[in-house]
Amino acid sequence: KAGVTQTPRYLIKTRGQQVTLSCSPISGHRSVSWYQQTPGQGLQFLFEYFSETQRNKGNFPGRFSGRQFSNSRSEMNVSTLELGDSALYLCASSSQSDRAWQNTEAFFGQGTRLTVV
Amino acid sequence: GEDVEQSLFLSVREGDSSVINCTYTDSSSTYLYWYKQEPGAGLQLLTYIFSNMDMKQDQRLTVLLNKKDKHLSLRIADTQTGDSAIYFCAERFSNDYKLSFGAGTTVTVRA
Repeated sequence: KAGVTQTPRYLIKTRGQQVTLSCSPISGHRSVSWYQQTPGQGLQFLFEYFSETQRNKGNFPGRFSGRQFSNSRSEMNVSTLELGDSALYLCASSSQSDRAWQNTEAFFGQGTRLTVV
Repeated sequence: GEDVEQSLFLSVREGDSSVINCTYTDSSSTYLYWYKQEPGAGLQLLTYIFSNMDMKQDQRLTVLLNKKDKHLSLRIADTQTGDSAIYFCAERFSNDYKLSFGAGTTVTVRA
């Protein structure tokens, strides 16, 4: 079974540009979450999608957005990039249902390393 | 992640046991996870425990939970050089979908 696939692996963008990152979850998984990892802030939750609906959102500005498609693939978009957006962006998929109390394991992709110059 | 706390560094000799510690915020209804991250890689799920359990063992890994002190530990028996990595403790409340991570413990295994 293929794991979580994130593309691209590396990106270099200029301040003010926008960027779109992609995540393909494990087959059959309907929940996709995004996290930002930086040396200063560690791992921070961005948002979570289930069946094309955003169920939870972290404390990030509106420049960060995402969506999920009917095949569960997800994209996140960052507009008007700032130097501080340089980070490793990680996507996780799980087989979560609509019952948060049920334990489900989140499996992470390799991440997309974004550098803003 | 500021509500989940971990010590930042651990150095251990090859063949010894490693113990990585973590404190978390809620003991009533929480899932607790341990993840491993090697350089340039994503996060690998090692094991998890629910907050009504005391212990879980999986091969070389033992998770201990002290609910009174909200303290979680991961013990790695017979530590190998391949265990050198950053280890993250994470919690998820049962009524939520997000993981809250600690800052990570960098484990260095020396010969």
